[in-house]
Amino acid sequence: GEDVEQSLFLSVREGDSSVINCTYTDSSSTYLYWYKQEPGAGLQLLTYIFSNMDMKQDQRLTVLLNKKDKHLSLRIADTQTGDSAIYFCAERGTNAGKSTFGDGTTLTVKP
Amino acid sequence: DGGITQSPKYLFRKEGQNVTLSCEQNLNHDAMYWYRQDPGQGLRLIYYSQIVNDFQKGDIAEGYSVSREKKESFPLTVTSAQKNPTAFYLCASTLGGSGYTFGSGTRLTVV
Repeated sequence: GEDVEQSLFLSVREGDSSVINCTYTDSSSTYLYWYKQEPGAGLQLLTYIFSNMDMKQDQRLTVLLNKKDKHLSLRIADTQTGDSAIYFCAERGTNAGKSTFGDGTTLTVKP
Repeated sequence: DGGITQSPKYLFRKEGQNVTLSCEQNLNHDAMYWYRQDPGQGLRLIYYSQIVNDFQKGDIAEGYSVSREKKESFPLTVTSAQKNPTAFYLCASTLGGSGYTFGSGTRLTVV
């Protein structure tokens, strides 16, 4: 079945850039997503990219997609302490709109 | 404001008891999903529904049941057959490929 993998932890200094990486296996993925989860809360959609795009920028967020290598990344510029959270990568295939999620990357931002 | 409401926020279940988690959305989304999240893990799909009066099993449906009698509502019942129900349960909905809208979750604990 489909699989999505992410590194589990990332620690950065406030003001630095953060890069969270993700790989996926489903070559028929149509959309790829980044979600943010704060403690005790549901997931919040941050941004998404259609599979025929290479890059998408949205304010401090930049998403890069390498479809050949099935690699997705999320760059957060000027990372702030409020960005500390768990970030989930997800892909949507062609089956009923279901998404497969990675296990999440815990981002810690140190002052 | 449109969104998804999950209730209750916290739920305690005794051994052998069935409990029902509520999920209501006013986004006019067709598709709704239930995911289970365990500590340090990603989201695992329990059940999903693309239209009213129709639903399909996800990856971990055993011990759970759902109904979809109205477009707005997708309740999840955790039955006594689910031997390890303690987890964080997330309901989501979507329309097309623009990603999920999640509820704030229900934390279920067995006592």
